[in-house]
Amino acid sequence: SQTIHQWPATLVQPVGSPLSLECTVEGTSNPNLYWYRQAAGRGLQLLFYSVGIGQISSEVPQNLSASRPQDRQFILSSKKLLLSDSGFYLCAWSAWTGVDVSNEQFFGPGTRLTVL
Amino acid sequence: AQSVSQHNHHVILSEAASLELGCNYSYGGTVNLFWYVQYPGQHLQLLLKYFSGDPLVKGIKGFEAEFIKSKFSFNLRKPSVQWSDTAEYFCAVNSGSYIPTFGRGTSLIVHP
Repeated sequence: SQTIHQWPATLVQPVGSPLSLECTVEGTSNPNLYWYRQAAGRGLQLLFYSVGIGQISSEVPQNLSASRPQDRQFILSSKKLLLSDSGFYLCAWSAWTGVDVSNEQFFGPGTRLTVL
Repeated sequence: AQSVSQHNHHVILSEAASLELGCNYSYGGTVNLFWYVQYPGQHLQLLLKYFSGDPLVKGIKGFEAEFIKSKFSFNLRKPSVQWSDTAEYFCAVNSGSYIPTFGRGTSLIVHP
């Protein structure tokens, strides 16, 4: 069966420090991968998505970047964190089936990031 | 661009009450529709989905949703809620891509 891991679960970082959040998926190949930020009362904001190794699309301009060095690994990074980067970050995957877009997403446990 | 509107941001019910959470979307073409649920301390997970066929979809834990194309709606229902249904519920829509659009979520609290 497929599983998705995120770490760390919680993180407290000072303003201006770098960030690296990791997401890995097991039990599937060539997944679509997503990074979301979830804010209370504001739903899920899509930050990045990837359909393959090295292929990253950004949905919103921001202080963050994403990379996909391996098929089932997705990394969210920042060179210098801002206070506004605080939030709950979710990684998700969905199966790649070509034109079939009816597949649901599977979410990781999330990372609570606090920037002080 | 597609958008999803969840009208009820906070809902408070007593056990055994009936539930209906509204979801409307703005896109005129073919859509795939989803309801996700996030129980306290747990992963966001799929509750049910519609992509074709019978517009009345049944999901886990006694939930169902009805796709009404003419109203651009996909409301979630449960005839009798339980305390364990306390959670946040998200409606999502995708329209021919692998990038769904999520609503802002509805926080449901069920009092025992």
